Parts: sequence; structure tokens; C-alpha cells
Amino acid sequence: EDQVTQSPEALRLQEGESSSLNCSYTVSGLRGLFWYRQDPGKGPEFLFTLYSAGEEKEKERLKATLTKKESFLHITAPKPEDSATYLCAVLGSNSGYALNFGKGTSLLVTP
Amino acid sequence: EAQVTQNPRYLITVTGKKLTVTCSQNMNHEYMSWYRQDPGLGLRQIYYSMNVEVTDKGDVPEGYKVSRKEKRNFPLILESPSPNQTSLYFCASSVDPSGSHLRGYTFGSGTRLTVV
Repeated sequence: EDQVTQSPEALRLQEGESSSLNCSYTVSGLRGLFWYRQDPGKGPEFLFTLYSAGEEKEKERLKATLTKKESFLHITAPKPEDSATYLCAVLGSNSGYALNFGKGTSLLVTP
Repeated sequence: EAQVTQNPRYLITVTGKKLTVTCSQNMNHEYMSWYRQDPGLGLRQIYYSMNVEVTDKGDVPEGYKVSRKEKRNFPLILESPSPNQTSLYFCASSVDPSGSHLRGYTFGSGTRLTVV
């Protein structure tokens, strides 16, 4: 069974203080690893898809990387507007079309 | 604006009273899906649809029904709601059922359901 574990559960950063969020996964045949951002009271918003180990993608202050066991979401010089819950999900070869989501990391960036 | 629209946003109902949560997308996506989000459990798929008249169960389908009579609409039906169906529900759509398309899944804003 596919499993996704995100850490830490919550993270508080000062504005400008770079850090990384972790997503550890076990999956039978990775078809894709996804990062979403979720603001309070809203649906998840797509950030990245990663397909194979070694792949990296960037968007503004965010950079996602992938190894065979985990993915990192690096946040460089965060701003208060980066505060949100970040969700990681995987799609395995035995998953059909159901993304398997982690429980998320709640990020708070203070001025 | 490309979007997935869910209604209602909030709903409080009583045990056993049938209800429908509507979902509509304006992106001509073939794939649509329903998820529920619970504290400590994350997002879990309820049902999905690959196209009109093609639906299938996700991970937690018990107590739910869906229909896909039109491409744009994918309502979630609770025939006899129970308190354990109190949750935050999200509808999602994608041009690619694997969610691997450039824009991934587009989620609606959610429906917070309370069953008393």
C-alpha cells in the first residue's frame, strides 16, 4: 500500500529564513509525486509534478526535488504570503487514479 | 475564469436526510473526482469519473453515490447521511486522470458538511 509521510507537521519561520519541507513515500511504481498548496478555507492549488529521481522544478521561491524515497520542497527567503499548508501526494502503479495524499505541513511565515 | 464550482459551501443536515453536493467545471475536463478531507487523515478519494457515464469507486466510497450525465457536472449524493460523513469535501477535475498534466488537478473551494 502506498504511504506518504510529511514532516514536520508544522513549521514557523521568520521572513527570509529559508527551510525545507520533507515528503517521504513508499509506492509500488511511482507514476508521479505532486506538491499542492492549500490556504485556509480553500481547495488545494497545484504546484509541481515530479516523475523521476533527480528531477527538480522551481516556481518563484519554491523548489521541489525528488529522490527514490523522498521529496523536498525548499522555500528560499520566504514571505508571509507563503504561509499555507503544503500537501504532498503520490500516484503509484497500483493506485488507479487516486492520489495518495500526506497529511500536510502547516507553514507560518512571520514578518 | 477556469474553475471548479461546488455548492453549497456549508451545509448542516440531520441524519438520514438525503442531500446532494453539486460540482461543475468549465474547462471541458474529462476526469473528475471527489475527495474528503479529515483532520489527521488527509485527503481521501471517494469516487472518480473518467468521462460521461463512466464512474468508479475510490478509497472510501461507502455511503456515497455519484453520477456523470454531463461532462461538466459531477454531483455527490448522500442517500442517508450519518455523522461519520461530517467532513470537508472537495471536487477536482483534470484533463489527465493521472493528474500529471501541466496544471495538475483543479480543486473546488470545498463544501463543509456537518451531519447531526
